[in-house]
Amino acid sequence: SSELTQDPAVSVALGQTVRITCQGDILREYYASWYQQKPGQAPVLVIFGKNNRPSGIPDRFSGSNSGNTASLTITGAQAEDEADYYCNSRDSSGYHYVFGTGTKLTVL
Amino acid sequence: QVQLVESGGSVVQPGRSLRLSCAASGFSFSTSAMNWVRQAPGKGLEWVALILRDGSNKFYADSVKDRFTISRNNFKNTLDLEMNSLRTEDTAIYYCARDKDVYDSSRGGFDIWGQGTMVNVPS
Repeated sequence: SSELTQDPAVSVALGQTVRITCQGDILREYYASWYQQKPGQAPVLVIFGKNNRPSGIPDRFSGSNSGNTASLTITGAQAEDEADYYCNSRDSSGYHYVFGTGTKLTVL
Repeated sequence: QVQLVESGGSVVQPGRSLRLSCAASGFSFSTSAMNWVRQAPGKGLEWVALILRDGSNKFYADSVKDRFTISRNNFKNTLDLEMNSLRTEDTAIYYCARDKDVYDSSRGGFDIWGQGTMVNVPS
């Protein structure tokens, strides 16, 4: 089955830029989507497709793709961006999904 | 407003069954593919099941295949998950989530989530 690998933890200074990556062979075939999850809350979609933000998501969130890696970039990280971030994509069957292992972002 | 509300979570003994429900409102449920996603305590997200908009096609994670059944009622705007032969490893918060576009990953993603319902299968 397909796997998506993320760094377990990343930190960023307030106002600086941070990139969270997601690696998996399936990303050569399908786009990833990205989710922010704060403690005790449901996940929230922040990026989908090539680099699309749902309504209400700040433009400091952006996405990019290269080969087997999808990236989520936060430009000018804010304290409220501290959360767990998960990537998600389909597996090779096209109708099964897989989530990444998750990255805990700390804003210093 | 746009909303998904899960219900049915509880404490259930190993080997028993449980049915979860998700009530949708504020969007076109009948034209939306729907998913169940779960999260074990302190762990990451795990996709569980997908049902296409007319209910004709269903897909399951290997970990729940042949034990769980996803279904929907487009007249009542509800999504269900029937869970049989429950195991301790099924303990998790279960979320229902809408699939923006199940056919095109460039437009896809789970854009609407419920608040989750907790299932506890004690050892």
